[in-house]
Amino acid sequence: GAGVSQSPSNKVTEKGKDVELRCDPISGHTALYWYRQRLGQGLEFLIYFQGNSAPDKSGLPSDRFSAERTGESVSTLTIQRTQQEDSAVYLCASSLLPASSGANVLTFGAGSRLTVL
Amino acid sequence: RKEVEQDPGPFNVPEGATVAFNCTYSNSASQSFFWYRQDCRKEPKLLMSVYSSGNEDGRFTAQLNRASQYISLLIRDSKLSDSATYLCVVMGSGYSTLTFGKGTMLLVSP
Repeated sequence: GAGVSQSPSNKVTEKGKDVELRCDPISGHTALYWYRQRLGQGLEFLIYFQGNSAPDKSGLPSDRFSAERTGESVSTLTIQRTQQEDSAVYLCASSLLPASSGANVLTFGAGSRLTVL
Repeated sequence: RKEVEQDPGPFNVPEGATVAFNCTYSNSASQSFFWYRQDCRKEPKLLMSVYSSGNEDGRFTAQLNRASQYISLLIRDSKLSDSATYLCVVMGSGYSTLTFGKGTMLLVSP
């Protein structure tokens, strides 16, 4: 597609429920990132996918968080047993070049705003 | 010292003013540097990359000082539409992670 698409744009859920967020990167972009941005805060790195390499999961805050990506296409971020502190905007970004290139310009999606009641 | 540090602001300036932001980084092995812009409740968008020799794009000038480990962004002739949060982004030796600063808010008033 023309840009990075994320869905849902807004999600309200109850504490303890599981949620799944989807990211559809720009076609041909090999690198895909997930970030979290709490209200008034900076971006927190969650996970990075590059092609068929093992993902860098070093930013995932707990084992309740997981993400998958099939090849170089859609990625899903799953949060199990959601907590109120999970409330944030979850941003997905993709890049044509891998991070190792040093020239990886990120294009972000509009984000998925998650509210946990 | 935080990995990437920015003055949160806000910087309040009148239209036409020149304003500059700095961003300091802690990892001396950092390889690449960028400025992104984020409008309120919107996603970040690339403003410009920062090259070792410094670079200019219209009213915007970015510079890198490796010795002191900071990058800067200068905006000349500020416009109302420049009002946004400016994010400093640093890529360290751990290539897979780009570290974002918390951003500096700029408010340009008529």
